[in-house]
Amino acid sequence: DMKVTQMPRYLIKRMGENVLLECGQDMSHETMYWYRQDPGLGLQLIYISYDVDSNSEGDIPKGYRVSRKKREHFSLILDSAKTNQTSVYFCASSPPGQKNQAPLFGEGTRLSVL
Amino acid sequence: KTQVEQSPQSLVVRQGENCVLQCNYSVTPDNHLRWFKQDTGKGLVSLTVLVDQKDKTSNGRYSATLDKDAKHSTLHITATLLDDTATYICVVGDRGSALGRLHFGAGTQLIVIP
Repeated sequence: DMKVTQMPRYLIKRMGENVLLECGQDMSHETMYWYRQDPGLGLQLIYISYDVDSNSEGDIPKGYRVSRKKREHFSLILDSAKTNQTSVYFCASSPPGQKNQAPLFGEGTRLSVL
Repeated sequence: KTQVEQSPQSLVVRQGENCVLQCNYSVTPDNHLRWFKQDTGKGLVSLTVLVDQKDKTSNGRYSATLDKDAKHSTLHITATLLDDTATYICVVGDRGSALGRLHFGAGTQLIVIP
């Protein structure tokens, strides 16, 4: 069963703490993404990864970094979290080389930074 | 600037009624347009993808149209069910591959009441 798994599903942190969001997929998809979703806005791309150690900034990378050491696993790191990083974070992956194939999304991580 | 605008922002219909959701966009190039369904607290699930200059698709009670000249798409839901309650998100892709960027609308929140 093709699935993108995000952990944890819910997280509460204090301002200034470090945050690690994890995402896994078992389909050997090369391309993976991190988005955030805020009320009234469309999903915004934070980072995209084309394969192991091949990561590119998206539209809103400031305050975030990523790590991809294995194809199946893509992490989003917030060093010294800020209150405006409270959001729902979605990870997604895309099958390689297939035209217009839909990306698969995880169920999201709801992060609150107090 | 928002490149994908959806209307209405929210919509309440009675079970069994039909409804139409709208999507206007300014993304260029517009390789394809996809509609996603997002249940509360869940990830995005693809409903349909439209590719051609003037395209129509059908997936059960969901049907969609695309007019690339007008940069406009509609999603029709026929004989709504309570399980159709969700947010419907219009996404425009500027390429057919995973190398392209996806541009997300903010979504239409559909509530189906008994």
